[in-house]
Amino acid sequence: NAGVTQTPKFQVLKTGQSMTLQCAQDMNHEYMSWYRQDPGMGLRLIHYSVGAGITDQGEVPNGYNVSRSTTEDFPLRLLSAAPSQTSVYFCASTPQGGNTEAFFGQGTRLTVV
Amino acid sequence: GENVEQHPSTLSVQEGDSAVIKCTYSDSASNYFPWYKQELGKGPQLIIDIRSNVGEKKDQRIAVTLNKTAKHFSLHITETQPEDSAVYFCAARNYGGSQGNLIFGKGTKLSVKP
Repeated sequence: NAGVTQTPKFQVLKTGQSMTLQCAQDMNHEYMSWYRQDPGMGLRLIHYSVGAGITDQGEVPNGYNVSRSTTEDFPLRLLSAAPSQTSVYFCASTPQGGNTEAFFGQGTRLTVV
Repeated sequence: GENVEQHPSTLSVQEGDSAVIKCTYSDSASNYFPWYKQELGKGPQLIIDIRSNVGEKKDQRIAVTLNKTAKHFSLHITETQPEDSAVYFCAARNYGGSQGNLIFGKGTKLSVKP
């Protein structure tokens, strides 16, 4: 039972480069989200999706794009990486309805130099 | 929008003692309050949650209390063990409205000394 899988686990980018962080879940959850975790800041919501074809912005969306073409996948795209995007990124999925536990992936540690 | 404040940011206890972490939230419409534990190098994992129609919930050594009037909720860990050492996050979510997102506190680093 894989749950939520994030790739890569580690990544170093140069300023201005673009890349995509992958997230896949095998639990048929409708709701998926991306958070970034910075020291002393907790987890802040970047983007979320309530189902295939539907995405919306969270608290800190600038510099990131998302798409949701399937229920399983929710990639996060950095268009032009900046040092301020150095962080640990977590993807989470949640079933709709009464069971509201969010399941998190193992995270991607991104460094922008 | 919702804002969640969490205290303390660090907490050190002796093995066997109790630990209490407190959170307050701002949106009175929030109705779901989970607690997550994050071990080093891993993603957060749910340890206990409470919904707004319940005042207290217990699971072995872990309990959560909710005071909706005061808009605060707390995590209580009794008989702490070294493996309880981790970062703990509280969160709040408003279900039923247009915003069903989890808003997290900034975390508490708990250290349990043997």
